[in-house]
Amino acid sequence: DAGITQSPRYKITETGRQVTLMCHQTWSHSYMFWYRQDLGHGLRLIYYSAAADITDKGEVPDGYVVSRSKTENFPLTLESATRSQTSVYFCASSFGGATETQYFGPGTRLLVL
Amino acid sequence: AQKVTQAQTEISVVEKEDVTLDCVYETRDTTYYLFWYKQPPSGELVFLIRRNSFDEQNEISGRYSWNFQKSTSSFNFTITASQVVDSAVYFCALSEASRGGGNKLTFGTGTQLKVEL
Repeated sequence: DAGITQSPRYKITETGRQVTLMCHQTWSHSYMFWYRQDLGHGLRLIYYSAAADITDKGEVPDGYVVSRSKTENFPLTLESATRSQTSVYFCASSFGGATETQYFGPGTRLLVL
Repeated sequence: AQKVTQAQTEISVVEKEDVTLDCVYETRDTTYYLFWYKQPPSGELVFLIRRNSFDEQNEISGRYSWNFQKSTSSFNFTITASQVVDSAVYFCALSEASRGGGNKLTFGTGTQLKVEL
């Protein structure tokens, strides 16, 4: 399917476990982004990537790890999940940086018990 | 640092009323971009508009219109003749073009719009 997809769509995990959220886009966009959405905060940038093998921190990177070995994939890993990481996670992509329109995936709802 | 303020947390209107969602931003850059996104109850984020800081013309798209005023650092969004399907959370966002912007898209906290019959 064309577009940007995320998996899983829902995830329940326990404190201390490692969790990986997947993001895949078929537009060949150079840039990809990970955001978390929490009540009262809107969306906040966790990490972004300008191209394969190029990643950089956003506003709230602590506790997260990203990689980008292929242009179309941008996985986000919570190395040791904490309850404060319970959130809705959105992946986005764009042709350019943040000044270009970002198109968002459907989101992943993560609950950390 | 860039900042976006959406002071209206929640707005309720009756169908067919016009409604304006406010967005006020702060930036030190002269070149920047403003966006509006819609998040319906299903949860996805839908792109509505992108506007650069040099284009102050108002934009109209069907029942939607946007009023960009650099003098007041505002980028307000108006829905004319609102419909129940317009019920959603609407986000305003800002991106600076300078290197110091760090490819950061800063979102406001959103305005929940409820349109009732």
